Amino acid sequence: DAKTTQPPSMDCAEGRAANLPCNHSTISGNEYVYWYRQIHSQGPQYIIHGLKNNETNEMASLIITEDRKSSTLILPHATLRDTAVYYCIPSIGTGNQFYFGTGTSLTVIP
Amino acid sequence: SQTIHQWPATLVQPVGSPLSLECTVEGTSNPNLYWYRQAAGRGLQLLFYSVGIGQISSEVPQNLSASRPQDRQFILSSKKLLLSDSGFYLCAWSVSRTKNIQYFGAGTRLSVL
Repeated sequence: DAKTTQPPSMDCAEGRAANLPCNHSTISGNEYVYWYRQIHSQGPQYIIHGLKNNETNEMASLIITEDRKSSTLILPHATLRDTAVYYCIPSIGTGNQFYFGTGTSLTVIP
Repeated sequence: SQTIHQWPATLVQPVGSPLSLECTVEGTSNPNLYWYRQAAGRGLQLLFYSVGIGQISSEVPQNLSASRPQDRQFILSSKKLLLSDSGFYLCAWSVSRTKNIQYFGAGTRLSVL
C-alpha cells in the first residue's frame, strides 16, 4: 500500500474553502484514494473517493493530479462542524484493508 | 438502511481481566468486518478483518483475538488484558470489494488500569 504525507494541522476560516493536500507519490495504478474524517471521540466518517478523475459529492470535492501522485480534498464552505482529523488513504479496494496514517487536524475558526 | 452497533461505549477493566467487545451490523448480508484500535494521539491501526463466518485475518500479533460466529457479528476478545491494550476500539463494515467504502461504529473506549 502507498504511503501518504499530509500536513499535521491546518486552520480555515468559517465559510471559506478548506483545501487539504495529500501526497501519495508511491500509489499504484489500481489504488483508489479514499478520504475519511474523524471528529473527536467518534468513528471515522467516509467522505469521498476516486481513482483518477476528479469527484464531487454533497460533502466535498476531490482533485487528483494527472500523475496521481497527490490529491486535494476541498470542503467548499467550511463550517465549525467540519473541525476534525482528515485522513487520505490509498487502497486497492479488493484488498479491503485501510491503513490510516495520522492525518491532518483541521480547525475551522469562527 | 444499514446500521452498525458497538457496545459498550466505555469500559474500564483491571489488568489481567478478560475482554469481550461485540459488534453487529444490520441491514446487509455477508459484510466484510474490521476491528481497528486507536491509541491516544495516534492513527487507527487495523487489528483484524473478516470476509466471512469463521474467516479471520490478523494484521498485528498481539494479546487480542477476534471471532465471527455469525454473518453480521464480530467479537474482539482477550483472555488477559494488558495496560497497553487501552485505546479506542472501532468496528467497521463494508459490502463492496471494489469500492471498499468502510462504515464505522461509534467505538468503545477501553481503559485498562
